[in-house]
Amino acid sequence: EAEVAQSPRYKITEKSQAVAFWCDPISGHATLYWYRQILGQGPELLVQFQDESVVDDSQLPKDRFSAERLKGVDSTLKIQPAELGDSAMYLCASSTRLAKNIQYFGAGTRLSVL
Amino acid sequence: GESVGLHLPTLSVQEGDNSIINCAYSNSASDYFIWYKQESGKGPQFIIDIRSNMDKRQGQRVTVLLNKTVKHLSLQIAATQPGDSAVYFCAENTSGTYKYIFGTGTRLKVLA
Repeated sequence: EAEVAQSPRYKITEKSQAVAFWCDPISGHATLYWYRQILGQGPELLVQFQDESVVDDSQLPKDRFSAERLKGVDSTLKIQPAELGDSAMYLCASSTRLAKNIQYFGAGTRLSVL
Repeated sequence: GESVGLHLPTLSVQEGDNSIINCAYSNSASDYFIWYKQESGKGPQFIIDIRSNMDKRQGQRVTVLLNKTVKHLSLQIAATQPGDSAVYFCAENTSGTYKYIFGTGTRLKVLA
């Protein structure tokens, strides 16, 4: 069964350092999402891509976060510099082009900022 | 595995009993809803969906009920099993957008 791949699974970093997370969506899925999930809460959308274009990054803290999906396939989310409050699970999800469609999630990257 | 959420509302049920998990959604314009299950250390997994033109939808051992008047969703799990132990989230979507808004989540504990 096809899955959304994310790496690394866990990342520990010190504040002010740069971190990057990678996501490979299910093959053929045009839409890719990055979510942040703080412990005890539901996922919160950070950025959404349709192919290589950003369609929603209204919740992305653009002073320190960046995301790209250069070829419309895999994607990278970067944080520079990391802050203590960035500690969370970062989830990637993908879906087909249809608006009303199921998002398939990866296992996530657990980030701890010390 | 690590916990998805340490301070979530928790529902404890005996194995074999039925479970009912509730969700209040925020946007009266939302017209599509999904229930997700998230096990410890994993991403959310699709369980069942419902569109706003329906009041009820049934799957295998699961039923979703939608009450648009009070903006309320519920997920019913029949004959709850140990493998149902997880955190359950509802998510809402508004027509014409790809954006899903997730609720806070409820932890389901199945007691043997």
